[in-house]
Amino acid sequence: DAGVTQSPTHLIKTRGQQVTLRCSPKSGHDTVSWYQQALGQGPQFIFQYYEEEERQRGNFPDRFSGHQFPNYSSELNVNALLLGDSALYLCASSPWPIVDIMNTEAFFGQGTRLTVV
Amino acid sequence: DQQVKQNSPSLSVQEGRISILNCDYTNSMFDYFLWYKKYPAEGPTFLISISSIKDKNEDGRFTVFLNKSAKHLSLHIVPSQPGDSAVYFCAASLDFGNEKLTFGTGTRLTIIP
Repeated sequence: DAGVTQSPTHLIKTRGQQVTLRCSPKSGHDTVSWYQQALGQGPQFIFQYYEEEERQRGNFPDRFSGHQFPNYSSELNVNALLLGDSALYLCASSPWPIVDIMNTEAFFGQGTRLTVV
Repeated sequence: DQQVKQNSPSLSVQEGRISILNCDYTNSMFDYFLWYKKYPAEGPTFLISISSIKDKNEDGRFTVFLNKSAKHLSLHIVPSQPGDSAVYFCAASLDFGNEKLTFGTGTRLTIIP
């Protein structure tokens, strides 16, 4: 079991550009959440996808958007990058709680380190 | 507004002794609490959780205590081992199974051999 995999592991972008990050969930998981972890901070919830729809969203601007594919993998898109978007972006997967109530804890990937210059 | 706070950025403990990591929260609607451990260059790994209907949950060397009236929880690691050296995050959610987690800023635990 490969667990949660994210790509790329590191990325450097220029301010104003757009970026797409990718996530493959753990086998058997159908729910994907994205988090942003700035240096010295805890992860902050961006949004969650289930059945290809955004189910919950944190306090992030519309520049942050996402997508979930039929195979449950997901993308995070950030437009008009700002220097402040530099962070570690974490993807977490879990089973939808109604389906598997006993094992709902999120499994995290290793993250994508985004640097905006 | 930091709804989950870990006021100790770092903690050093002798191997074999007890490590106690603390976490405070302000949102009384939080109903489920979790601890995650994070090594460098890896994602956070789930450790242990507790529902608000309990005041203690134990799993091997790890025990989490919840004091709802004080809005405080703690993670006890006994005995501490060198492999426990990592950053520990406290997280909270509004209900069980809700993956919208609110994290604290983390405590870096160093176990001294």
